[in-house]
Amino acid sequence: AQSVTQLGSHVSVSEGALVLLRCNYSSSVPPYLFWYVQYPNQGLQLLLKYTSAATLVKGINGFEAELKKSETSFHLTKPSAHMSDAAEYFCAVVAGGNLIFGKGTKLSVKP
Amino acid sequence: DAGVIQSPRHEVTEMGQEVTLRCKPISGHDYLFWYRQTMMRGLELLIYFNNNVPIDDSGMPEDRFSAKMPNASFSTLKIQPSEPRDSAVYFCASRGGPHPGYTFGSGTRLTVV
Repeated sequence: AQSVTQLGSHVSVSEGALVLLRCNYSSSVPPYLFWYVQYPNQGLQLLLKYTSAATLVKGINGFEAELKKSETSFHLTKPSAHMSDAAEYFCAVVAGGNLIFGKGTKLSVKP
Repeated sequence: DAGVIQSPRHEVTEMGQEVTLRCKPISGHDYLFWYRQTMMRGLELLIYFNNNVPIDDSGMPEDRFSAKMPNASFSTLKIQPSEPRDSAVYFCASRGGPHPGYTFGSGTRLTVV
């Protein structure tokens, strides 16, 4: 069954530093992949999605993710972290018409 | 479009009571999903509908949980009787079109005391 694995339940960066959140998918053929963000006490907001077009996907708030088939990875990056980026980030994969989520990575941004 | 609308936003109830959560999907979306989020288990899919028909309810924890979608613009998730371990945030999401873009509601935070 399709699944995604997020490495690191907590990531802490300084403001202005690079953000790198890791996600690996389980299948040999890249599925539809998503990154969602959840701010405290809020719902999930779509950051970006891969749907078999370009392997470098740009999303909202300066985030992007690159699909690397050789590594079965879809890591989320942002060149310069802002305090407002502090949230929980979820990688997700479509499997059998459903959206299956990773465990999430909580991002902290230090001033 | 107002997005996916869930009500209530917060619900506090006593153990043994019936709880009904409501969801209005985005107009024109033909898939509707119910998820539960807890610290221990993360985001779990409970059930999903396609064109108002339940397709997969294997994620529903037990018979105390039931979900209906009487029409394309409304769905309910019912817990009867509720238990403290049902305390969680319940999300509804809908999807439509050729590419799988899922839109989530703001969730219902359920506390069973």
